[in-house]
Parts: sequence; structure tokens; C-alpha cells
Amino acid sequence: EIVMTQSPVTLSVSPGERATLSCRASESVSSNLAWYQQTPGQAPRLLIYDASIRATGIPARFSGSGSGTEFTLTISSLQSEDFAVYYCQQYNNWPPITFGQGTRLEIK
Amino acid sequence: EVQLVQSGAEVKKPGDYLKISCKTSGFIFSTSWIGWVRQSPGKGLEWMGIIYPGDSDTRYSPSFQGQVTISADRSITTAYLQWSSLKASDTAIYYCARRYPSGSYSTWGQGTLVTVSS
Repeated sequence: EIVMTQSPVTLSVSPGERATLSCRASESVSSNLAWYQQTPGQAPRLLIYDASIRATGIPARFSGSGSGTEFTLTISSLQSEDFAVYYCQQYNNWPPITFGQGTRLEIK
Repeated sequence: EVQLVQSGAEVKKPGDYLKISCKTSGFIFSTSWIGWVRQSPGKGLEWMGIIYPGDSDTRYSPSFQGQVTISADRSITTAYLQWSSLKASDTAIYYCARRYPSGSYSTWGQGTLVTVSS
């Protein structure tokens, strides 16, 4: 099973600033990685798939990069609605699909 | 519009049987993979398994193999997740989600809260 590790666990950033979230895989997942956003009481929402492709309707301030074992989600100029929990997910080698433990992005 | 609408919240006792549903619309059900994800209280996301309704091909996470059963009814474009004997540790929100061809999960149901308590 591929283990996904996200860092940091909690990230405090001020509105308007940039946030950088990291995800590391225990072995290569090529570019088969997605990022999801989850706000309280809501289902996860797909932001990025195939490591760097924005899903339909996702604002351009969200960008993904990386391949192999190291990945980054960058949110430029944070908006109030961006404060949420973010999960990475690998789908290169399954079953099982595996998620990271999440990064909580909070207002500084 | 692609939609996945899940059945309502359930309160059950340990040992009970339960089957929850995920009614889909807006896409070709028989040629799409539908997955299930668990979120225990205050915890992260755990992938449970997935089904391809076209031929009922089903894959499970080793963590959930033998603990749950995933099924689908093509005639009503609905996927199911069932337990034969619930445990308190099954208390969680369960999400169904449609898988993109590339592998990510593009559209999610609203979640079903299952509470298991004596």
C-alpha cells in the first residue's frame, strides 16, 4: 500500500497571501495524484487531478505541481472560502487508493 | 448535470444489518466506476472500494474486504454499500463518488451519516 504523507498538518496564512501545501508518496505514483478541498459539513471537492490539471470550475489561483513522490498544491492570494482541509490522493497503484491525512489551512 | 444523491442518515445498533444507497444521474452509469469513501468522526478520508456497474467488477481495500459489500443496480442507476453486522467503529460519514477515467473522483454524493450505538 502506498502511504501518502502531507505537510504541514496545520498551516496558518493570512488572507491575500500564498499557501503552499506538500504531499509525499512512499513510492512513485507518476502523475496520478489528485487534490481535494473539504469545508466543514461538506463533501470533498476535486481541485486538481493528474497532479497539475485544474478540475472544471476551479479558480486559477489553485495550482498543482510535482511528479513521482513529491507534490505541491499552491493557492495564490488566499480568499476567505479557501480556508478548509486539503487532501492529496494517489490513484497510480490500486487497490487501495490512498489519501494523505490532510492539511488544515487556517486563517492567521 | 452529474449528480449522486445518497440515502439519509441512519441510527443502528451493533449487530444490525444496513444497506445505504447512492442514486446517480447525468452520466452513463454502466460505464463509470463508483467508489465509496469513509470519514470517521474528526478523521480523514479512507477509500473503501469501487464497483464498475457494467460488469459488477468490484475491488476492495484490504482494510474493508470482508467487512462490507458494494453492489449496483443498473436498472435504477444506483450503487449500494452494505454491512451484515454493524460495529460501533462503523460510525462515520460514507461518501459515494464517481471516478474520472484518469482515476480521480470528480463528483461526490452529499454523504450518509451512519451512527452505530447501543
